[in-house]
Amino acid sequence: EPEVTQTPSHQVTQMGQEVILRCVPISNHLYFYWYRQILGQKVEFLVSFYNNEISEKSEIFDDQFSVERPDGSNFTLKIRSTKLEDSAMYFCASSERGQTSGNTIYFGEGSWLTVV
Amino acid sequence: LAKTTQPISMDSYEGQEVNITCSHNNIATNDYITWYQQFPSQGPRFIIQGYKTKVTNEVASLFIPADRKSSTLSLPRVSLSDTAVYYCLVGALSGSARQLTFGSGTQLTVLP
Repeated sequence: EPEVTQTPSHQVTQMGQEVILRCVPISNHLYFYWYRQILGQKVEFLVSFYNNEISEKSEIFDDQFSVERPDGSNFTLKIRSTKLEDSAMYFCASSERGQTSGNTIYFGEGSWLTVV
Repeated sequence: LAKTTQPISMDSYEGQEVNITCSHNNIATNDYITWYQQFPSQGPRFIIQGYKTKVTNEVASLFIPADRKSSTLSLPRVSLSDTAVYYCLVGALSGSARQLTFGSGTQLTVLP
């Protein structure tokens, strides 16, 4: 079964450092997403990306965050200057563009970011 | 997006059928209902999705009444490995990108 893969699985970084989280979405999917989940809290939407541009973003996705699809397979989330409160599990997800049936979103296993 | 309400937690025993009901009173005409499962420190895993009536796949069934204001996820003969958080999500699935709003989910604990 095709799956969304993410790297790294776990990263520890110092406050103020830049972090890039990488994702390889399912190959025939056209929509890409980043979500995060702070320990013990809900899964929160960050951003969606389609046709090489951001489609929607939440209030969490401020200027310190950016996304990019640098090539035909990778989708990245960059956090420019990490803060302690950025510590969370970050999930990449992807979906096909479905018009007549459910447009299921598939999630990766997550990248656990710890900011110290 | 329609707000959903689920029980916070449920306990069951191995081999039993578990039914988790989700309320979504303000579901819109274009909204689909999707259920995800999440184990600790893992990504949400798609279980099942439906629009109306009944949907069944190899792991679960989804029952949706005619008014679509609620839905019930049915897990037949649960095992210990089904202990997880189950999320009900409701949202439109038009051609544009969508936001999925996860609530607190239902913590299902399967006991031996």
